[in-house]
Amino acid sequence: QTVVTQEPSLTVSPGGTVTLTCASSTGAVTSGYFPNWFQQKPGQPPRALIYGTRNKHSWTPARFSGSLLGGKAALTLSGVQPEDEAEYYCLLYYGGAQLWVFGGGTKLTVL
Amino acid sequence: EVQLLESGGGLVQPGGSLRLSCVASGFTFSNYAISWVRQAPGKGLEWVSGISGSGGSTYYADSVKGRFTISRDNSNNTLYLQMNSLRAEDTAFYYCAKDKYGYGELDYWGQGTLVTVSS
Repeated sequence: QTVVTQEPSLTVSPGGTVTLTCASSTGAVTSGYFPNWFQQKPGQPPRALIYGTRNKHSWTPARFSGSLLGGKAALTLSGVQPEDEAEYYCLLYYGGAQLWVFGGGTKLTVL
Repeated sequence: EVQLLESGGGLVQPGGSLRLSCVASGFTFSNYAISWVRQAPGKGLEWVSGISGSGGSTYYADSVKGRFTISRDNSNNTLYLQMNSLRAEDTAFYYCAKDKYGYGELDYWGQGTLVTVSS
């Protein structure tokens, strides 16, 4: 069974920088996994932030960026705002098996 | 404005069936793949199933394969999820989400519909 792993929780100070990562049990994450990142706040559906590793949607704030880092997909928030406190999920595409797998989510606290 | 509206959730007994619907507007429905994603209360997201724009290709998570069937009616801009042999672990909010390019770029999401499987 394919497992996608994220940090369960992270804490960052307002104005600071934090990087969330997304690892695959199958090995290094590459652009071929088309990493996506989503933000979810309590009581709301997820909101798309990043697609295809590093591409932003039209509504994605500039402080969010996606990359590949050390064999993982990464989401970096620079100049964190209090409203960035949320759960963040990555999604990877496994083309060979034709399935998509979410990571377990990272709860980001801004404190 | 892109909108996705799910319906059909409710309380069902274990072993029962339910059909979810997702009505889309604000975009050319047949041009886009759509996925179902679920979230058990207080838990993380789980991709459940996806379907190509034409409906010719369908995909399922192992957890629902053989029990759930995804389909679409492009003439009525509607996506379906037929859920059979429901189990307690299927209890979740079910979201439909539009896929921008077909590789999981789930750019627009509905508000979700709650399915509760309990006796």
